Amino acid sequence: DGGITQSPKYLFRKEGQNVTLSCEQNLNHDAMYWYRQDPGQGLRLIYYSQIVNDFQKGDIAEGYSVSREKKESFPLTVTSAQKNPTAFYLCASSIEPGINFFGQGTRLTVV
Amino acid sequence: DQQVKQNSPSLSVQEGRISILNCDYTNSMFDYFLWYKKYPAEGPTFLISISSIKDKNEDGRFTVFLNKSAKHLSLHIVPSQPGDSAVYFCAASGGSNYKLTFGKGTLLTVNP
Repeated sequence: DGGITQSPKYLFRKEGQNVTLSCEQNLNHDAMYWYRQDPGQGLRLIYYSQIVNDFQKGDIAEGYSVSREKKESFPLTVTSAQKNPTAFYLCASSIEPGINFFGQGTRLTVV
Repeated sequence: DQQVKQNSPSLSVQEGRISILNCDYTNSMFDYFLWYKKYPAEGPTFLISISSIKDKNEDGRFTVFLNKSAKHLSLHIVPSQPGDSAVYFCAASGGSNYKLTFGKGTLLTVNP
């Protein structure tokens, strides 16, 4: 069945290390997104990609990087430059502007 | 600056009654609005949306109302059920822009 798969569900990282969060979709959607959620906050857009090999910065891109080499995959790397990386990360996809369909999220904790 | 505002962090209602969640926006370029429901440690689930050419959209127990002149929308849930207890996010987008702007959410608790 179609959907968006994020892995792992929980991730622990030591300070100063880069870490990559996986997001795969089999919905044949062109657009994919990465959001971050912090307690008491809404979802804030990190990066988005409308087509393969193209992506744009969202509102809080500093300290993050992405790639979009395949339509199905949109991995997010949290670099050591991200000062406060502990958060709940959500990946989404859409067939066109509008409704985003979300994965189940990855909880990243810096230890 | 917050372009989408949900001014009530929480709302508590009795089972069977109406739940009304509110959302205000400031960007006049927004023309498409969505409501999402989210449980802890899960991804948001799309509930209902409305285009700016409409002022009401209904889907079962969920109705969204849009007042463009006031830049205000609301989600009505009737009747409310305990399973509706979750955080509800309002979101908006404009034109062909792929970006969604989210509010901070309202925690709805439906008491049996």
